[in-house]
Amino acid sequence: KAGVTQTPRYLIKTRGQQVTLSCSPISGHRSVSWYQQTPGQGLQFLFEYFSETQRNKGNFPGRFSGRQFSNSRSEMNVSTLELGDSALYLCASSSNSPGPNTEAFFGQGTRLTVV
Amino acid sequence: DAKTTQPTSMDCAEGRAANLPCNHSTISGNEYVYWYRQIHSQGPQYIIHGLKNNETNEMASLIITEDRKSSTLILPHATLRDTAVYYCIAGSGGSNYKLTFGKGTLLTVNP
Repeated sequence: KAGVTQTPRYLIKTRGQQVTLSCSPISGHRSVSWYQQTPGQGLQFLFEYFSETQRNKGNFPGRFSGRQFSNSRSEMNVSTLELGDSALYLCASSSNSPGPNTEAFFGQGTRLTVV
Repeated sequence: DAKTTQPTSMDCAEGRAANLPCNHSTISGNEYVYWYRQIHSQGPQYIIHGLKNNETNEMASLIITEDRKSSTLILPHATLRDTAVYYCIAGSGGSNYKLTFGKGTLLTVNP
């Protein structure tokens, strides 16, 4: 079956602009998580959605937001972009079954560059 | 999630076993040990996880000490394609949806 699809793969934006990234999870998966990866901070959790509800949120400013649609597809939005927002943004999906025996499947990521 | 400590880097010869250690001395009773790896410029990939028993799958084996304060990921016959950053994560079931990644170990498999 198809894996996690993130679009676009690469993006260049200017400071102050906003950006929307998209993630299509594996078919049947209802949990979608977002992560930011930078050389300095590594992989950091942004937020997680399950059945259109945000269940977990990481320690990021309010400029970072997300949503999930009824078909489980998810988008994340970053407003008023800063140079420090340049990063690889990764999306992961997990199956319907909550609990420890659930693995997360990651997409290839969206490489955002803010200039 | 419990804090994990891993060596920054390791080398392994192709065809030999790669043994990657992880320390998680503050792990609580309901926390699992998960291993993921990230090959350059790709998303992380799940490898294996366990609670207290040793686990094996087609990719690797996971050995957890009896006191659960440390574990070792074993790649039995490393190939060049196993060169990646390997992350050890300790977390409870619910927080599996909030993976707390550390710095990981850069494993370099040499020909």
